[in-house]
Amino acid sequence: DTGVSQNPRHKITKRGQNVTFRCDPISEHNRLYWYRQTLGQGPEFLTYFQNEAQLEKSRLLSDRFSAERPKGSFSTLEIQRTEQGDSAMYLCASSSSGTGVSGELFFGEGSRLTVL
Amino acid sequence: KNEVEQSPQNLTAQEGEFITINCSYSVGISALHWLQQHPGGGIVSLFMLSSGKKKHGRLIATINIQEKHSSLHITASHPRDSAVYICADNFGNEKLTFGTGTRLTIIP
Repeated sequence: DTGVSQNPRHKITKRGQNVTFRCDPISEHNRLYWYRQTLGQGPEFLTYFQNEAQLEKSRLLSDRFSAERPKGSFSTLEIQRTEQGDSAMYLCASSSSGTGVSGELFFGEGSRLTVL
Repeated sequence: KNEVEQSPQNLTAQEGEFITINCSYSVGISALHWLQQHPGGGIVSLFMLSSGKKKHGRLIATINIQEKHSSLHITASHPRDSAVYICADNFGNEKLTFGTGTRLTIIP
């Protein structure tokens, strides 16, 4: 297994367009997380899945954002009607045991979105 | 409010120096994470700890529960250690709250 994979790595789009990012976690990991990171800031939590169930969503995830993990494997994050403020790095992480002290998160390389 | 603060924001040092990066958190923790982020975005998990001290190679992480403070130390620093170091706390739930990171530059 090659780790967490994210596609595309870079996306440039015009304001108002829809974009979709895909995350393929490590295969045996049942937990999957999406984070957003803007320049000079630490990542911010967006949403969390355990298997196919979306268990938590941040207030940051407006109704233009939707995330799915239909079969408990890969996940998609869709942003509709993109705005310039959506420009950021979107990070995916997966884990077999969560964020507690016995857990470990494995991050993908991120998908960088630029909205013109 | 669950908050994580790091200091310094930027740190430049000469190769070989002993490095300390600090992290303070607002309320009691379940797990304090230290992570490393290289240019281009990839993040690697370094340590998770809830008490005491952990060591891996030249990296040491310590935590003081009473003072709500953790430190990441790098001994015999090397230019390849140049990266952004981020601490994060899960505050007892599944989402991590991250600090803003410390940008470390080691000059040969």
